[in-house]
Amino acid sequence: NAGVTQTPKFRILKIGQSMTLQCTQDMNHNYMYWYRQDPGMGLKLIYYSVGAGITDKGEVPNGYNVSRSTTEDFPLRLELAAPSQTSVYFCASSWSGGFESTDTQYFGPGTRLTVL
Amino acid sequence: GIQVEQSPPDLILQEGANSTLRCNFSDSVNNLQWFHQNPWGQLINLFYIPSGTKQNGRLSATTVATERYSLLYISSSQTTDSGVYFCAVGDRSNDYKLSFGAGTTVTVRA
Repeated sequence: NAGVTQTPKFRILKIGQSMTLQCTQDMNHNYMYWYRQDPGMGLKLIYYSVGAGITDKGEVPNGYNVSRSTTEDFPLRLELAAPSQTSVYFCASSWSGGFESTDTQYFGPGTRLTVL
Repeated sequence: GIQVEQSPPDLILQEGANSTLRCNFSDSVNNLQWFHQNPWGQLINLFYIPSGTKQNGRLSATTVATERYSLLYISSSQTTDSGVYFCAVGDRSNDYKLSFGAGTTVTVRA
């Protein structure tokens, strides 16, 4: 199993540009998440999905969009990039979303994004 | 949402020392997880522990849900324990979504 994979690892954008961060998991997990981590801070939830075709906003959704057409993929779209979106972005997945005692979140390696 | 406070913010240890990290949360939770972020940024789940005590090698964790805190114990610390430790909590009224604390940065010196 590759687990959770993210591409790209690094990216520099100019203000106003758009891009898509890719996330794929091969564990057949129902739940998938996008977080951002600003320097010296904990993670904040951007969007999450409980299954294909179902997405919902997290704590900091403004400026982002997601889609979930398959169980495996959960891309994050940035439209009109702004310097405030400079951050490290993590994708994660889990089987049941925390309902079961054996459930935990598995994280991808992250994407470091800089908006100049 | 649930507020999560972790202490101390920074911890410097000599190799072989023991330490305790604390996580306080503001409301009842049904989901509590501890994570370790290594110096290269990778996040690894350590424990799923909304209540009770668990042990995994040199690490153990205890959550006292009625008093709204959790403790992570590191015994006989090694340099590979360095990194940031995060506590994250969630509850069923919020779809168990995790709210993260700001973390405790641990540096273990040889």
